[in-house]
Amino acid sequence: EAGVTQFPSHSVIEKGQTVTLRCDPISGHDNLYWYRRVMGKEIKFLLHFVKESKQDESGMPNNRFLAERTGGTYSTLKVQPAELEDSGVYFCASSQGRQGGAFFGQGTRLTVV
Amino acid sequence: GNSVTQMEGPVTLSEEAFLTINCTYTATGYPSLFWYVQYPGEGLQLLLKATKADDKGSNKGFEATYRKETTSFHLEKGSVQVSDSAVYFCALRSSRDDKIIFGKGTRLHILP
Repeated sequence: EAGVTQFPSHSVIEKGQTVTLRCDPISGHDNLYWYRRVMGKEIKFLLHFVKESKQDESGMPNNRFLAERTGGTYSTLKVQPAELEDSGVYFCASSQGRQGGAFFGQGTRLTVV
Repeated sequence: GNSVTQMEGPVTLSEEAFLTINCTYTATGYPSLFWYVQYPGEGLQLLLKATKADDKGSNKGFEATYRKETTSFHLEKGSVQVSDSAVYFCALRSSRDDKIIFGKGTRLHILP
């Protein structure tokens, strides 16, 4: 069974540009999460999908960030326009059920220059 | 709101030493508790979990017991190896909204 996959693994963009990160969860997992880790600090929650619905987006930093989950399958996280402070590692995770742990992807390292 | 607090790192130990990484939590309801590990250059991996009070999670020689009375989930290993060098994250999953909250992470260095 394939794990959670994220694309791209690395992205370097200039300030003001747009970047779209993609996450493919484990098949059948209804819960999909996005997290961010900046400069080796704590892992910050961004948002949580249940199927195609946003359950909680309280961690989204501002309206430059837009997340979607088409048909309850893969998800995209778009940053537009990117700022220097958006640099970090963006993790996606998925889970099924209410008690188990979430499975994480390898992360996308975003560098805004 | 819910939160997780874990001991600050880095923690440096010699091989075969006993390891404890403290973790305490604040949560409403009955959360599930987890330890995740991130090895150098890799993604986050679920190390172990406990879903209710007094449960003990274990994996790869690591153990943690869900202590409701002290709201703790300390990670322990009796004899660490160089290959255990990594960053360890304590986390909880809320029983109300499925949100997973992480501690700040503890970097562990094991010296040969």
